[in-house]
Amino acid sequence: DTGVSQDPRHKITKRGQNVTFRCDPISEHNRLYWYRQTLGQGPEFLTYFQNEAQLEKSRLLSDRFSAERPKGSFSTLEIQRTEQGDSAMYLCASSQPLAEYTDTQYFGPGTRLTVL
Amino acid sequence: TQLLEQSPQFLSIQEGENLTVYCNSSSVFSSLQWYRQEPGEGPVLLVTVVTGGEVKKLKRLTFQFGDARKDSSLHITAAQPGDTGLYLCAGRLYNQGGKLIFGQGTELSVKP
Repeated sequence: DTGVSQDPRHKITKRGQNVTFRCDPISEHNRLYWYRQTLGQGPEFLTYFQNEAQLEKSRLLSDRFSAERPKGSFSTLEIQRTEQGDSAMYLCASSQPLAEYTDTQYFGPGTRLTVL
Repeated sequence: TQLLEQSPQFLSIQEGENLTVYCNSSSVFSSLQWYRQEPGEGPVLLVTVVTGGEVKKLKRLTFQFGDARKDSSLHITAAQPGDTGLYLCAGRLYNQGGKLIFGQGTELSVKP
């Protein structure tokens, strides 16, 4: 088990460009979560999938953000027309809950986005 | 306003001292997790507490979940420089799916 992996680890882009991040969850984990973390703050929930179904999206996820998990395995998070306020660490987590209260989430190393 | 208030936000202590980090809310959580995060890395799970009043120990770390499931604490005994990092509490609300609500974090620095 190699853990949750994310790619790229760092991304620097210019304002207005589109960016896409990838997350590979732990094998057999059916839930996959995306969070965003700004400097000095705890992570904030963005969205999550159970298998390929996107079950919830935060109000933080504007129309410029879209996430997919086409085959219930890896997921992508795309940000269109990036803004400087999008600069943050984007974290992915996966889990295999036996029950709702035992949904232990394991995090990847994150993708650090800097928008110039 | 933050749903989970973590305090203190910053803590700088000498090696060997004890410390306690608090995580408080007016909401009831079905479970609460504590994570530790290094700069530039994702959070690493330390413990999950599920039952009100539950106490769990992990070597020098003691975690407690409040009886009413609204608060939690992390106590570190005889802190070491290797304990330095960002400590995050995260809770799950009833009937809110799987998402975690995080506190702001406590930045701990342990000086030798």
